[in-house]
Amino acid sequence: DVKVTQSSRYLVKRTGEKVFLECVQDMDHENMFWYRQDPGLGLRLIYFSYDVKMKEKGDIPEGYSVSREKKERFSLILESASTNQTSMYLCASSPPAYMNTEAFFGQGTRLTVV
Amino acid sequence: QKEVEQDPGPLSVPEGAIVSLNCTYSNSAFQYFMWYRQYSRKGPELLMYTYSSGNKEDGRFTAQVDKSSKYISLFIRDSQPSDSATYLCAMSRMNSGYSTLTFGKGTMLLVSP
Repeated sequence: DVKVTQSSRYLVKRTGEKVFLECVQDMDHENMFWYRQDPGLGLRLIYFSYDVKMKEKGDIPEGYSVSREKKERFSLILESASTNQTSMYLCASSPPAYMNTEAFFGQGTRLTVV
Repeated sequence: QKEVEQDPGPLSVPEGAIVSLNCTYSNSAFQYFMWYRQYSRKGPELLMYTYSSGNKEDGRFTAQVDKSSKYISLFIRDSQPSDSATYLCAMSRMNSGYSTLTFGKGTMLLVSP
């Protein structure tokens, strides 16, 4: 059974804190993604990575960075958390595009910044 | 114009009804079309996956793609209360060996017993 695991289901952080969201997949997928999901706005791509140590900006990268030191792990970093980063964060992985483009999602991390 | 448009609902139907969910898109480069189902406080899970125009059926679910009209649909027959969820359409295109998904905003479906 394929699995994408996010380290926390719920997080509460203070404004200005550095926040790390961790994601691990066990499918040996090349591609990994971070999205945020907000009511009325849907899923928006923050960053993605198509190989170890590679990263690409998505649609809303401002205020975020990522790290992919190992193939199975993709971390999202909020350098200085702000209240407008309160959201549901979803990690996903997928095989290379020449195979198919199906993405598998983790359960999500609901982050509240106070 | 947004790349993918989807009516957010909510769509309320009685148990046993046929449900039709739709998305339109503007980018003719999209080649792969997916429907995800998302239960409350869970991550999305893939429901249907199609490539190019045509129909694909899986049990009570049928996905339809009309590339000439840039329109995709998901039909649910004999809807059940357990089908109550948010349904997200998604589409992608190849881009230098990798692809990213573009999502609709999701339609919330409520099936009442």
